[in-house]
Amino acid sequence: DGGITQSPKYLFRKEGQNVTLSCEQNLNHDAMYWYRQDPGQGLRLIYYSQIVNDFQKGDIAEGYSVSREKKESFPLTVTSAQKNPTAFYLCASSIGDGSYNEQFFGPGTRLTVL
Amino acid sequence: AQKVTQAQTEISVVEKEDVTLDCVYETRDTTYYLFWYKQPPSGELVFLIRRNSFDEQNEISGRYSWNFQKSTSSFNFTITASQVVDSAVYFCALSGFTGGGNKLTFGTGTQLKVEL
Repeated sequence: DGGITQSPKYLFRKEGQNVTLSCEQNLNHDAMYWYRQDPGQGLRLIYYSQIVNDFQKGDIAEGYSVSREKKESFPLTVTSAQKNPTAFYLCASSIGDGSYNEQFFGPGTRLTVL
Repeated sequence: AQKVTQAQTEISVVEKEDVTLDCVYETRDTTYYLFWYKQPPSGELVFLIRRNSFDEQNEISGRYSWNFQKSTSSFNFTITASQVVDSAVYFCALSGFTGGGNKLTFGTGTQLKVEL
């Protein structure tokens, strides 16, 4: 079955540690995205990538980094510079980067920083 | 700037009731797209519908229907004869040229609780 996988589902880290969230898709989509969701809020875009080896900052990129070395993979690193990293992180992909393309979402990773 | 407003934070209904989720948007684009997503308790967002700015026809899919009105910048979602399985958070979203490619602007979501 085609889809998006994110691992792990739950992640606990100590304050000050960097942590990397995995996102893999087998939909052959060119574009991939990372969103952050906080309780009672909508999704906010962290980073997006329209093609391999290229990515752009979203609305809340500070304290995060990404890479796009393969079409299928778009890992997100939450660095120690992110002041409030505890949140639910969702990865998504779409066929292209046109505004008409619906995005398909993974199951999410819930990160808790202790 | 683009903005999506979902004023209803939480709605509770009894099974079989009809319920309408409101969505109001702001954009300067003439071409834009509106979306509805469902987020069940598992967390994964599920795509429900896309509507482009030039197509104001209402759409019906089973118990779901959508009413798009450009005159009031609204894209409301109605569930007829609600069921417990409809309990979820529903997000309205907007994309257009101003936002940059396929960047989605989400509303804050409406939590729908359907009780027996």
